[in-house]
Amino acid sequence: TQLLEQSPQFLSIQEGENLTVYCNSSSVFSSLQWYRQEPGEGPVLLVTVVTGGEVKKLKRLTFQFGDARKDSSLHITAAQPGDTGLYLCAGMTGTASKLTFGTGTRLQVTL
Amino acid sequence: SQTIHQWPATLVQPVGSPLSLECTVEGTSNPNLYWYRQAAGRGLQLLFYSVGIGQISSEVPQNLSASRPQDRQFILSSKKLLLSDSGFYLCAWSVLGLPEQFFGPGTRLTVL
Repeated sequence: TQLLEQSPQFLSIQEGENLTVYCNSSSVFSSLQWYRQEPGEGPVLLVTVVTGGEVKKLKRLTFQFGDARKDSSLHITAAQPGDTGLYLCAGMTGTASKLTFGTGTRLQVTL
Repeated sequence: SQTIHQWPATLVQPVGSPLSLECTVEGTSNPNLYWYRQAAGRGLQLLFYSVGIGQISSEVPQNLSASRPQDRQFILSSKKLLLSDSGFYLCAWSVLGLPEQFFGPGTRLTVL
């Protein structure tokens, strides 16, 4: 069974601070995605990374895929209250584009 | 553009009652379809996925079943609900061969 462990589980920071969320596994994934989810809603895709060592930027968010394609990180610069939510990583393996989801990181950004 | 719908949005059912949750996708053909369950504030557990009409793969043994009677329709069912079936149920779709999945708004199920 493939597992994706995210750390930290919870993070409460003030507006303007920087943070990094980690997603780790012992398994190799063909691609990895990050989602953000608001309470009571479905997850929304933020980014997909497919190449080992790949770095993608989405405004203040920087995503990196590990060289061995077993881990990933999400770095947020100058966090804002609108960044609040549950962040989920998900790795793809096998057929039918099945995703294994991480355990989730709940981020709260306060004024 | 593609859209995905789920209904109902919330549901409260007694133990032992049947269940039917529906998911439909618009704006795409031959999508892969998925049912997930999410525990409070945690990651998603894949329950079922389908690569075509009538083709269902189950990921975990449980009290639930899934069906795909039409290309863009995915149904999650149970004959008799258990308390442990409570949760947030999410439907998702993807294009064959691509990793991105797109989620519906979810159904909050409470079994009393």
